[in-house]
Amino acid sequence: GAVVSQHPSWVICKSGTSVKIECRSLDFQATTMFWYRQFPKQSLMLMATSNEGSKATYEQGVEKDKFLINHASLTLSTLTVTSAHPEDSSFYICKTSVYNEQFFGPGTRLTVL
Amino acid sequence: SQELEQSPQSLIVQEGKNLTINCTSSKTLYGLYWYKQKYGEGLIFLMMLQKGGEEKSHEKITAKLDEKKQQSSLHITASQPSHAGIYLCGAANFNKFYFGSGTKLNVKP
Repeated sequence: GAVVSQHPSWVICKSGTSVKIECRSLDFQATTMFWYRQFPKQSLMLMATSNEGSKATYEQGVEKDKFLINHASLTLSTLTVTSAHPEDSSFYICKTSVYNEQFFGPGTRLTVL
Repeated sequence: SQELEQSPQSLIVQEGKNLTINCTSSKTLYGLYWYKQKYGEGLIFLMMLQKGGEEKSHEKITAKLDEKKQQSSLHITASQPSHAGIYLCGAANFNKFYFGSGTKLNVKP
């Protein structure tokens, strides 16, 4: 089946720095990629939808200037957490789909000190 | 947006006991997915249901979608410590995919 990879799998950074998370579809083209985040003891919340070659659309309450999404190719979408703060510490996961099948990346655990 | 409410929020059961987790949607479901997860780790796909009244089983886990396609249940028979984790239902709505609120399961040996 289709495989989605994420890099890095975990990252620790200092407050104020920016962190880039990459999501790649390894053996297929992903026109649309979805980004989710999960805080401890909570469910996965949809942050934004990225479409190849166009601007991402963000869910209500998600700051588009803080969470920059780039989907420059059909196999790569990136999420950059700019000027990260401890409250951005979370588990970030990307997802795409092929027909009715959902394919998730393994996730990235971000800790901001 | 699609709202998926899960109940219970958390559950502690003795090993060997049966349990049921429910997922209720505010809108008609055209595809309902069940996943298992441990926080900070990836999702494990369990089952997908599409048709009203559909029921699927895998090992000791059975999932059903009601006839009206607005509620699904996940039933675990003779629970084991390996069943512990967070169970999430998910559904697609207008090309977006949303998750339920989650149910945390602990199984006491």
